[in-house]
Amino acid sequence: GIQVEQSPPDLILQEGANSTLRCNFSDSVNNLQWFHQNPWGQLINLFYIPSGTKQNGRLSATTVATERYSLLYISSSQTTDSGVYFCAVERRNSGYALNFGKGTSLLVTP
Amino acid sequence: SAVISQKPSRDICQRGTSLTIQCQVDSQVTMMFWYRQQPGQSLTLIATANQGSEATYESGFVIDKFPISRPNLTFSTLTVSNMSPEDSSIYLCSVIRQGGDEKLFFGSGTQLSVL
Repeated sequence: GIQVEQSPPDLILQEGANSTLRCNFSDSVNNLQWFHQNPWGQLINLFYIPSGTKQNGRLSATTVATERYSLLYISSSQTTDSGVYFCAVERRNSGYALNFGKGTSLLVTP
Repeated sequence: SAVISQKPSRDICQRGTSLTIQCQVDSQVTMMFWYRQQPGQSLTLIATANQGSEATYESGFVIDKFPISRPNLTFSTLTVSNMSPEDSSIYLCSVIRQGGDEKLFFGSGTQLSVL
């Protein structure tokens, strides 16, 4: 099956700093999504981004499908950005079922 | 986004018993899925809940252990049967809405502890 690797596994930032999270995948994909799991466990869909670039406030994401990676940018980080960020890709012929990476655990300190 | 209600939000169960988790969505959805998140781990897909037919299970998950129902386009249940401590996890319902893009939305999850 398709492999999804995220880096770094852990990240500690001071409030106001910027960061880049990376997601590499082993096969071509039609569907890639980024999620944030907050410290209370709720999963929020950040981006549906099989290719190209999208921005939503302080967050932006870029997927280069031909090179099999995606990047999530967090600018001017806030303590509320803390949590785990997951990248997930759709397996071919899976009927929209997503494979999740192991996540990047982010802690933003005041 | 879709409003997804999951019940119960948490439970503590004795080994050998079964628990049924309910997932109710506020609008018709194209796809419904059940995921498991073991402590400190990522999400693993258990099955796709198919409306009016048997669920499609992923490798390592079987119907006898995780029976799933989906009687209509807005409701599904997952039962965790004959539980053991290894079943202690968060179980998550997720959906793709009809008519939208393929964004996946999650319920708030059911935290299950098996003693």
